[in-house]
Amino acid sequence: QKEVEQDPGPLSVPEGAIVSLNCTYSNSAFQYFMWYRQYSRKGPELLMYTYSSGNKEDGRFTAQVDKSSKYISLFIRDSQPSDSATYLCAMSGRNQFYFGTGTSLTVIP
Amino acid sequence: GAVVSQHPSWVICKSGTSVKIECRSLDFQATTMFWYRQFPKQSLMLMATSNEGSKATYEQGVEKDKFLINHASLTLSTLTVTSAHPEDSSFYICSAVGGPPDTQYFGPGTRLTVL
Repeated sequence: QKEVEQDPGPLSVPEGAIVSLNCTYSNSAFQYFMWYRQYSRKGPELLMYTYSSGNKEDGRFTAQVDKSSKYISLFIRDSQPSDSATYLCAMSGRNQFYFGTGTSLTVIP
Repeated sequence: GAVVSQHPSWVICKSGTSVKIECRSLDFQATTMFWYRQFPKQSLMLMATSNEGSKATYEQGVEKDKFLINHASLTLSTLTVTSAHPEDSSFYICSAVGGPPDTQYFGPGTRLTVL
C-alpha cells in the first residue's frame, strides 16, 4: 500500500464550479498536511498548510483534514481558468515527506 | 517569505559536458534540501536528500557519481550533472525545508536539454 494515494484525474470542470481534490494516507504518524499547485514547467507552489483535523480557509481555497479517516481534501470555490494546474497533496512527520502523484485540473471558460 | 531560487532556469549543453545547477533559500536557512527530477506530465521523482555539512543521500537507482550534490551552506545546494547525455534531459527541481516545520518550499525548476 502506498503511503499517499491521490487520484491523478484528469479533472475537467466549467468555470465557477466547486472543485474537490482528495488524498488518502496510511501512516498515522503524519503531522503536517500540505497542498501544492504546480503549473506546467514550473516548480510546485505551496497553497495550504495544516497540522490538525478540521478546516482551514484561505480565499477561495479550503483545506480539510480528517485524521480519523486518514483523508484530506482541498476545495476550490468559484473555480477560474487560472486554477488549471496539477495539485499535489503532501504529508510529513518526523522529517519524512510523502507526496501524492498529483491531480491534473482544467477549468474550462 | 520562504523563497527558493534556482539558477539557471534553462540550460542547453552538448553531450559529455557537465552542468551545475544552484539552489538557494533566499530568506531562510535550510538544513535540508531535496533534488527532484520531473519528466513531462509525470510526477516528481526524488533524486536525493541534501543535508548541510554532510554527504547527500541518494534514492535507489540514482547514480551518485553522475549527479553530484554539494550542500555547502545553509542557503545553498548545488547539483552537478557530470558527463551529461541526452537521456539526462529533464526538469530538475530543488526544495528547501523551512518554517513552519516540516514544509518544503520549491524552486522554480531548471530545464536541462542535452544535445
